[in-house]
Amino acid sequence: GAVVSQHPSRVICKSGTSVKIECRSLDFQATTMFWYRQFPKKSLMLMATSNEGSKATYEQGVEKDKFLINHASLTLSTLTVTSAHPEDSSFYICSAKQGNYEQYFGPGTRLTVT
Amino acid sequence: EDKVVQSPLSLVVHEGDTVTLNCSYEVTNFRSLLWYKQEKKAPTFLFMLTSSGIEKKSGRLSSILDKKELFSILNITATQTGDSAIYLCAVEASNYKLTFGKGTLLTVNP
Repeated sequence: GAVVSQHPSRVICKSGTSVKIECRSLDFQATTMFWYRQFPKKSLMLMATSNEGSKATYEQGVEKDKFLINHASLTLSTLTVTSAHPEDSSFYICSAKQGNYEQYFGPGTRLTVT
Repeated sequence: EDKVVQSPLSLVVHEGDTVTLNCSYEVTNFRSLLWYKQEKKAPTFLFMLTSSGIEKKSGRLSSILDKKELFSILNITATQTGDSAIYLCAVEASNYKLTFGKGTLLTVNP
């Protein structure tokens, strides 16, 4: 199957700082990328949908000024958690999709805010 | 609001058993239904189903979709301890958004 990478896989940051997470599609061009958040023992919750070259569409309840998403190319999307707080600690997962094909998920990034 | 309900929420079996996982859904503008397996990291893709009644098979895993009754099943035959994971069902709408169920936690004991 298609390969999606995320970097970093794990990050610990101090409260008030910003953290950037990268999502790359390695062997295909992703027309659409998605960002999810997963709490322990819970299912994935969609945060936003991002199409290359246009602004991301955020789900209800997700603060767009706090979770900045950039999809600058067909193989790269970034999620920046700004002014992180402990309640932002979570597992963040991206997925990438080409046209009508299935979504492939990255390995996830575990963010811990101290 | 799109909705996906999986059952059972958890299941414990012995190696060699056959299991059936269920997924029912309500979605506006259905495009596809997908099954994923999640172990310690992010979900890995298993199947994508778009048409009713056509079984998809990969090794010991198979899945089928019923678009009239709005459900899908995932079968695993001759289970192995390596099948232990959370199995996630998701429906994709026409805008490509996925709505996930809560998952079924499968534990296969030796």
